[in-house]
Amino acid sequence: SQQGEEDPQALSIQEGENATMNCSYKTSINNLQWYRQNSGRGLVHLILIRSNEREKHSGRLRVTLDTSKKSSSLLITASRAADTASYFCATDMSTHNAGNMLTFGGGTRLMVKP
Amino acid sequence: DTGVSQNPRHKITKRGQNVTFRCDPISEHNRLYWYRQTLGQGPEFLTYFQNEAQLEKSRLLSDRFSAERPKGSFSTLEIQRTEQGDSAMYLCASSLEGSRGETQYFGPGTRLLVL
Repeated sequence: SQQGEEDPQALSIQEGENATMNCSYKTSINNLQWYRQNSGRGLVHLILIRSNEREKHSGRLRVTLDTSKKSSSLLITASRAADTASYFCATDMSTHNAGNMLTFGGGTRLMVKP
Repeated sequence: DTGVSQNPRHKITKRGQNVTFRCDPISEHNRLYWYRQTLGQGPEFLTYFQNEAQLEKSRLLSDRFSAERPKGSFSTLEIQRTEQGDSAMYLCASSLEGSRGETQYFGPGTRLLVL
């Protein structure tokens, strides 16, 4: 079963608008990561936020993490048509010295219309 | 290109046949992961190697699946007696062991279709 659930499942916006995607998870985590996937391609790592961090920025991306609510959000500002893709959150619950096996949510399919 | 590579990119096979996929990780990465992704879903963890040792296997990895990483570099994933339910994208990722939260770099995937 998947640990994270993204909301919404699909999002359609106009170029220039902001896009917000949410992720909820069930158990304690070490960190939470966001990935992007263009249709039929591999995943591209966007940003990692550790369990002791609350907010992180990278370019037009802003990620927040609320461990008390077991939720995270990804904000893409000033969206572009090239941002059209599926976005996944992934949680790392691995124990010390174990591999960082990621558990992914079902993804949010973002379409940015020019 | 020094990223993760996977071959083949696409594979069509008939039910009952065996298939083998290859993953070449980023050269200095000692951790290698296999995931499976079905249409419209997020990837699901299959198995994990640290160097040549296979340290974790998901319950998703039935007896028909076997993975190897003989020299701690490239890895192969073999599916024996394929079934239609095996149709999926098989993704490989690699990372460098370090503090918790190391980034996993994904390959382009191998898309398998079992007829």
